[in-house]
Amino acid sequence: DTAVSQTPKYLVTQMGNDKSIKCEQNLGHDTMYWYKQDSKKFLKIMFSYNNKELIINETVPNRFSPKSPDKAHLNLHINSLELGDSAVYFCASSRGLAGFTDTQYFGPGTRLTVL
Amino acid sequence: AQSVTQPDIHITVSEGASLELRCNYSYGATPYLFWYVQSPGQGLQLLLKYFSGDTLVQGIKGFEAEFKRSQSSFNLRKPSVHWSDAAEYFCAVGARGGADGLTFGKGTHLIIQP
Repeated sequence: DTAVSQTPKYLVTQMGNDKSIKCEQNLGHDTMYWYKQDSKKFLKIMFSYNNKELIINETVPNRFSPKSPDKAHLNLHINSLELGDSAVYFCASSRGLAGFTDTQYFGPGTRLTVL
Repeated sequence: AQSVTQPDIHITVSEGASLELRCNYSYGATPYLFWYVQSPGQGLQLLLKYFSGDTLVQGIKGFEAEFKRSQSSFNLRKPSVHWSDAAEYFCAVGARGGADGLTFGKGTHLIIQP
């Protein structure tokens, strides 16, 4: 059973389009995250949600909007896609919130290519 | 804010040889420290983590790491590498007391020579 799953695995789209990436975790975790890995493999956190509430919102353009319909899902919607959005996006989850003692479990990633 | 430096972008090691990947962090207190591995086309897998206690931490796949406060380092080691260890390795730091995500280093690409 996959712990953290993401769909789609690959996403190729044109500039200006709107797209969504879905993430689901079946670990019963309370906190979920989105990370962006650029072409140089640098991973940077974008958002974190705890029990459907936004906790972290790094300096990410407003075109990126996370949505958490329940604590097992954290979807990422991107409006007006730009070339610079091309990257691998990783979803992750962890059990708790306080003290950050909990391991984060990562999904397999979604490779977004904007043409 | 915390930061992580992995000074080696690429490392080449012969199969069966020992390995050490370097990681230095910057954080005002004792951090939470992690090593993750990313195989080609795969997500990240946790190798090991340090929160407190014994500064030598054992992980999966025969890896270990040692936390050295005086050097602000958390280097990853393995006594004998296997071809399957070829991957990208990321050191990460997490801040205590908060819900911050992890801050990752830029990764070290490990190449195994036959």
